[in-house]
Amino acid sequence: NAGVTQTPKFQVLKTGQSMTLQCAQDMNHEYMSWYRQDPGMGLRLIHYSVGAGITDQGEVPNGYNVSRSTTEDFPLRLLSAAPSQTSVYFCATRVFSVKAYEQYFGPGTRLTVT
Amino acid sequence: AQTVTQSQPEMSVQEAETVTLSCTYDTSENNYYLFWYKQPPSRQMILVIRQEAYKQQNATENRFSVNFQKAAKSFSLKISDSQLGDTAMYFCAFMKQSQGGSEKLVFGKGTKLTVNP
Repeated sequence: NAGVTQTPKFQVLKTGQSMTLQCAQDMNHEYMSWYRQDPGMGLRLIHYSVGAGITDQGEVPNGYNVSRSTTEDFPLRLLSAAPSQTSVYFCATRVFSVKAYEQYFGPGTRLTVT
Repeated sequence: AQTVTQSQPEMSVQEAETVTLSCTYDTSENNYYLFWYKQPPSRQMILVIRQEAYKQQNATENRFSVNFQKAAKSFSLKISDSQLGDTAMYFCAFMKQSQGGSEKLVFGKGTKLTVNP
């Protein structure tokens, strides 16, 4: 099993460009989420999904869109990148259950917006 | 809303010694989980240890143990016999336990730990 994969690992964008960060998992986890990590800020939740066709906003959703058409994939879209979106982005998954607590993190994508 | 506070931005310890990282949290919930995650320079987030709030016994995983004080809302991590490979950022995190199962992780800002040879 590959677990949680993220592509690309690194990306540089110019202000105003758009791009999609990919997240895929092969563990059949219903719950998928996106976090951003900024220096001195810890990880903050952007969006999450509890199953195909269901998404919701987290703590810092502005400037990002998500959709969930399959269980395996949960892409994060930046429609018009801004320097404030320079960050490291992590995708995380887990079983959608009251008893499930362990999140499985992808390796992260480092995004720089100039 | 829940908050997690790590008051030590950076710490260092000599190899083979013991170090304790602090974490406090604020919540009105009674059922929740607490976690310590390790992030080495590779950037990968690794779960070190977890604690269920309803358990009075402190969790232990090999050289890692916690001191969970529910009334004080404190959750510190003790690393014994520190190794060079323990050098990393350590994040304390909180997750509510609910019927819906959709609860999110709330992270502290992290403590950078350096183990010196």
